Amino acid sequence: QQQVKQSPQSLIVQKGGISIINCAYENTAFDYFPWYQQFPGKGPALLIAIRPDVSEKKEGRFTISFNKSAKQFSLHIMDSQPGDSATYFCAASPGTYKYIFGTGTRLKVLA
Amino acid sequence: DTAVSQTPKYLVTQMGNDKSIKCEQNLGHDTMYWYKQDSKKFLKIMFSYNNKELIINETVPNRFSPKSPDKAHLNLHINSLELGDSAVYFCASSQERLRGYTDTQYFGPGTRLTVL
Repeated sequence: QQQVKQSPQSLIVQKGGISIINCAYENTAFDYFPWYQQFPGKGPALLIAIRPDVSEKKEGRFTISFNKSAKQFSLHIMDSQPGDSATYFCAASPGTYKYIFGTGTRLKVLA
Repeated sequence: DTAVSQTPKYLVTQMGNDKSIKCEQNLGHDTMYWYKQDSKKFLKIMFSYNNKELIINETVPNRFSPKSPDKAHLNLHINSLELGDSAVYFCASSQERLRGYTDTQYFGPGTRLTVL
């Protein structure tokens, strides 16, 4: 119940395309769902986050879609750029002190 | 100014040794964390501290002992290092959740530990 399942494991997208990464959870106590971006040799950095009281949140080219009934959420990267090539992690938290991370998606955007 | 800093960045040591990793945050946050990222990039929480008090210990072997001398520092001491301890260790911090506050975690740059 504490797991967050993330797919796909890796993703290759053409420049200008849409990258979609999906996550699913089981624990209904989770109430905060962030996405992190990690470049090689760096720590993860928050990209965008959502709470279950909204179904979608958009920040620039990044959008989170949230389906509370299905217990799924996804990250959409519009107009993907080579600079977006990184590893992306979804996460879920039932409270401030604990975060469960997905297994990561390695995104490569081809120029 | 670096928000969350860790030292050292790289640590290479022999099995059986004891080593420490230091973490400092200058964000004024109440909560600090240690994460372990293995070779497959899987990121797993180890400890959470709030106002210098241990909140979460995710079944980490007691060879790992975190110490928080003050709210801005959370150090990780590892005794009797084993080959399986080789990983990247990340420190992070966040502000305690209050109404209207986000739970943004700020991660340090990581410490790559290699046990030979």
